[in-house]
Amino acid sequence: IAGITQAPTSQILAAGRRMTLRCTQDMRHNAMYWYRQDLGLGLRLIHYSNTAGTTGKGEVPDGYSVSRANTDDFPLTLASAVPSQTSVYFCASKNGQSSGELFFGEGSRLTVL
Amino acid sequence: GQNIDQPTEMTATEGAIVQINCTYQTSGFNGLFWYQQHAGEAPTFLSYNVLDGLEEKGRFSSFLSRSKGYSYLLLKELQMKDSASYLCAGMDSNYQLIWGAGTKLIIKP
Repeated sequence: IAGITQAPTSQILAAGRRMTLRCTQDMRHNAMYWYRQDLGLGLRLIHYSNTAGTTGKGEVPDGYSVSRANTDDFPLTLASAVPSQTSVYFCASKNGQSSGELFFGEGSRLTVL
Repeated sequence: GQNIDQPTEMTATEGAIVQINCTYQTSGFNGLFWYQQHAGEAPTFLSYNVLDGLEEKGRFSSFLSRSKGYSYLLLKELQMKDSASYLCAGMDSNYQLIWGAGTKLIIKP
């Protein structure tokens, strides 16, 4: 089934630990995004990639890093997790920077204690 | 600055009509999107408006007025399954989406 797969679905993590959230899409979309969603706030862009080999910073990039070695994969790494990074993380993709519809993964719920 | 405003919560009755409003301010404008998000699930695309006017898609319609920085999502013949959050998002000049906090729609029988 075509779409975006995120892993893990849920994770509890001790503060200070390193964590990588995985995201893979099989739609051959050029553009990929990482958002966090917190209660009462809109989706906030962490990092994005318009095409393989390039990445950019979004609204809330501090404490996070990404890589885009190929079209399909866009992992998000928390180098040293802090409690304020407790959130639901969504990976998304679309076919071209200027196109409309975003396709989302099912989300990764991360709790940092 | 860039901002999207929408009501936090609305309640409506099954079978009725509800209108969810959204006002936006973006740096440049490349369209207005509506997404639906059921609790615990990912957002899914509902509609896209870039020109003024009404776009109809079955029970759902979306309206845009660029001069007023205003959009609404109209849901007709409400069903219980329409209970969800509805997210308004504006696309800025860099083709980035600016998201509202979402409107939680509660449908009562």
